[in-house]
Amino acid sequence: AQRVTQPEKLLSVFKGAPVELKCNYSYSGSPELFWYVQYSRQRLQLLLRHISRESIKGFTADLNKGETSFHLKKPFAQEEDSAMYYCALSGMNRDDKIIFGKGTRLHILP
Amino acid sequence: KAGVTQTPRYLIKTRGQQVTLSCSPISGHRSVSWYQQTPGQGLQFLFEYFSETQRNKGNFPGRFSGRQFSNSRSEMNVSTLELGDSALYLCASREMDYGYTFGSGTRLTVV
Repeated sequence: AQRVTQPEKLLSVFKGAPVELKCNYSYSGSPELFWYVQYSRQRLQLLLRHISRESIKGFTADLNKGETSFHLKKPFAQEEDSAMYYCALSGMNRDDKIIFGKGTRLHILP
Repeated sequence: KAGVTQTPRYLIKTRGQQVTLSCSPISGHRSVSWYQQTPGQGLQFLFEYFSETQRNKGNFPGRFSGRQFSNSRSEMNVSTLELGDSALYLCASREMDYGYTFGSGTRLTVV
């Protein structure tokens, strides 16, 4: 069964410290992984996807098929990074739906 | 390009009533998905429509239904509302080979 697990509901990190938001998944085929972000009072928006291998706002995420993980990382946290982050998974077939984890609230401390 | 538009933004209904929510996708996007967002359960997939056909369905009771029109606009309907249906309902449209673009949602409160 498809499943996305984000083990931390809340993560508090000091400004300037490294950030790592954990995401583990369960999927029988080759998945496509995403990270979405929701800033306060804004709509949910795509942050990055593993296929594009981009770095957005200093965030990166590497798909580790051996550990079935797709952790989101940033070397130096900024206050504007405070938001709700959702990891999501889809199959490679474009007909596949996207399943979301329950989200992690990232709180950057000054 | 205009974004994904959902109407209405807020809705208050009484238990037992029914409700219809509307979603206009980004122009050119043919896939529309619906999600229910609650603090306890997070984002739960309701259904997805592509070219007027339901392509995927989540684990929600039959009271939740949807449809898509030829212009890709979509509606979802919830009948016999229950208190537990109170949530933010999000619509997202998808371009081929890309992730979702979400609307701002419709906040439904059932009293």
